[in-house]
Amino acid sequence: GAGVSQTPSNKVTEKGKYVELRCDPISGHTALYWYRQSLGQGPEFLIYFQGTGAADDSGLPNDRFFAVRPEGSVSTLKIQRTERGDSAVYLCASSLGGGSGANVLTFGAGSRLTVL
Amino acid sequence: SQQGEEDPQALSIQEGENATMNCSYKTSINNLQWYRQNSGRGLVHLILIRSNEREKHSRRLRVTLDTSKKSSSLLITASRAADTASYFCATVNTGGFKTIFGAGTRLFVKA
Repeated sequence: GAGVSQTPSNKVTEKGKYVELRCDPISGHTALYWYRQSLGQGPEFLIYFQGTGAADDSGLPNDRFFAVRPEGSVSTLKIQRTERGDSAVYLCASSLGGGSGANVLTFGAGSRLTVL
Repeated sequence: SQQGEEDPQALSIQEGENATMNCSYKTSINNLQWYRQNSGRGLVHLILIRSNEREKHSRRLRVTLDTSKKSSSLLITASRAADTASYFCATVNTGGFKTIFGAGTRLFVKA
């Protein structure tokens, strides 16, 4: 697609529920990133994929968070047993991820998650 | 995890003045980038400087990088009200593509 698309744009859920957030990157972008941003803070790194594999998942806060990218394109961030502290804007970004070493990220508009 | 620290956290200036934001980081980098975020929107890439470069210009933006001090600065010249936004530095680690953002500087330009 022309840009990075994230759905849903807003999600309100209850504590303890399961949530899936979807990211559709720019076509041809091999690298895909997930960040979490709280109000007034910078994006907090969660995980990034190079192709289908998670190249670095060191930012996932705990085992309730999991992300997949089975075909190297669309990615889903999955949060189990949501807690109020998970409330944030979840940002997805993609990049060419190639040998240039530049790696400029293009961001989606984000998915705002509110856990009641 | 976050690597960069920006200062100031917030900056308020008059239209036409220059705005300078600073960023410090901790580890070796491949390159450093600056992004802008308008309220409630996604981040937009502004400019990239590689680890072997010291200064870069793009329109009203000037970026410097001092790898010995692990710091960078972003200068916006002749600011406009439309420059009001949050500005973040991001570092890309050597040998990979992991990109880490700082906490940001909130810039307010008064018309």
